[in-house]
Amino acid sequence: AQSVTQLDSQVPVFEEAPVELRCNYSSSVSVYLFWYVQYPNQGLQLLLKYLSGSTLVKGINGFEAEFNKSQTSFHLRKPSVHISDTAEYFCAVSSSASKIIFGSGTRLSIRP
Amino acid sequence: SAVISQKPSRDICQRGTSLTIQCQVDSQVTMMFWYRQQPGQSLTLIATANQGSEATYESGFVIDKFPISRPNLTFSTLTVSNMSPEDSSIYLCSVTVGTSGSDEQFFGPGTRLTVL
Repeated sequence: AQSVTQLDSQVPVFEEAPVELRCNYSSSVSVYLFWYVQYPNQGLQLLLKYLSGSTLVKGINGFEAEFNKSQTSFHLRKPSVHISDTAEYFCAVSSSASKIIFGSGTRLSIRP
Repeated sequence: SAVISQKPSRDICQRGTSLTIQCQVDSQVTMMFWYRQQPGQSLTLIATANQGSEATYESGFVIDKFPISRPNLTFSTLTVSNMSPEDSSIYLCSVTVGTSGSDEQFFGPGTRLTVL
């Protein structure tokens, strides 16, 4: 069985500050990892995904994530956030058959 | 990619009634899924909608409560039966084009259900 843990339910940061949203996973098999974003009153949008190869994955809107197999982590980072990054961020894992398991989400709030 | 529409976008229903949510995709897709997102919560997979056969339900979800149809490769319905206030959630349809776990999943805009 797979599971995803997002350690922070809320992360407040100031505009133009860096941010890291933490995600840990557990699985007995190889996994694929995703970060999705949900803007207020909108559907989910894929930010980035790790399938294989380079452990540093770059996504849209300046976000990137690093896959760390030994620590079973897939933390999301952005060097400088903008007000428009205010959203809910979900880490997710899948292994096969396209079934995705989502973490509990992290609400990122940006202060001016 | 895939563009997904859902109907209705929102509804307010009375306890004990049923609501059927439609999911339409602009292209043929392999996999279709139904998720529930309760207020302030993450997404929970309800079931995988299988074309031409019964849906595959996740633990805690049963066909009598959430019957699902998938008559073809572009359309699916989810019915929330005998509703109670605890069923108030956003229900989302999602699809993948392939069958691998590496395939991106596309999500519909969701159906916001309130049960009184």
